[in-house]
Amino acid sequence: GAVVSQHPSWVICKSGTSVKIECRSLDFQATTMFWYRQFPKQSLMLMATSNEGSKATYEQGVEKDKFLINHASLTLSTLTVTSAHPEDSSFYICSANKKGKGHNEQFFGPGTRLTVL
Amino acid sequence: AQSVTQPDIHITVSEGASLELRCNYSYGATPYLFWYVQSPGQGLQLLLKYFSGDTLVQGIKGFEAEFKRSQSSFNLRKPSVHWSDAAEYFCAVGGYNFNKFYFGSGTKLNVKP
Repeated sequence: GAVVSQHPSWVICKSGTSVKIECRSLDFQATTMFWYRQFPKQSLMLMATSNEGSKATYEQGVEKDKFLINHASLTLSTLTVTSAHPEDSSFYICSANKKGKGHNEQFFGPGTRLTVL
Repeated sequence: AQSVTQPDIHITVSEGASLELRCNYSYGATPYLFWYVQSPGQGLQLLLKYFSGDTLVQGIKGFEAEFKRSQSSFNLRKPSVHWSDAAEYFCAVGGYNFNKFYFGSGTKLNVKP
């Protein structure tokens, strides 16, 4: 199988604090992980591509100083929302690339719901 | 530019009726196509995928989808809907190695008893 976990599954924080979300590939190594954001009743929007051992690549309009991504190992990527504000409240989903025969596949984590008060 | 369009925001069908969810894509290379389902507050579950070969693909829970290159479409179908199918459905397209993954806006399915 290919399982991706996220921790925490939900978090509530005060405005101005920072929150770290972990994404782990449990049974495979992922050189590339992705972070998505989903607003209520909307689709997933790719925020950034996280590559192990190098800097993340951010999509246009995503503040890299606001959303810090670290891909410290082949099984772990973290997203830190710095100085969170209520408008950062959202559902954050990560995915990880698993190498396969002839092509790779993406497997999604269960998501983390962030609420900023 | 790469994009995915799901023209139906909401669809309501009666339990036992057939279902078709539409998906059109724009992609500059050979597309890899996916359908995911998301229940409220949950992550994504892969229903089916198309990489190559037979254009009619079978997925889990009795779903199938047909890739039509001439129409740039990848519509999802199910012959008989169950109440438990009520959820939001997302079509997605990615390229080789899935360095970019684009999602449609989603279609929310309601099932009437």
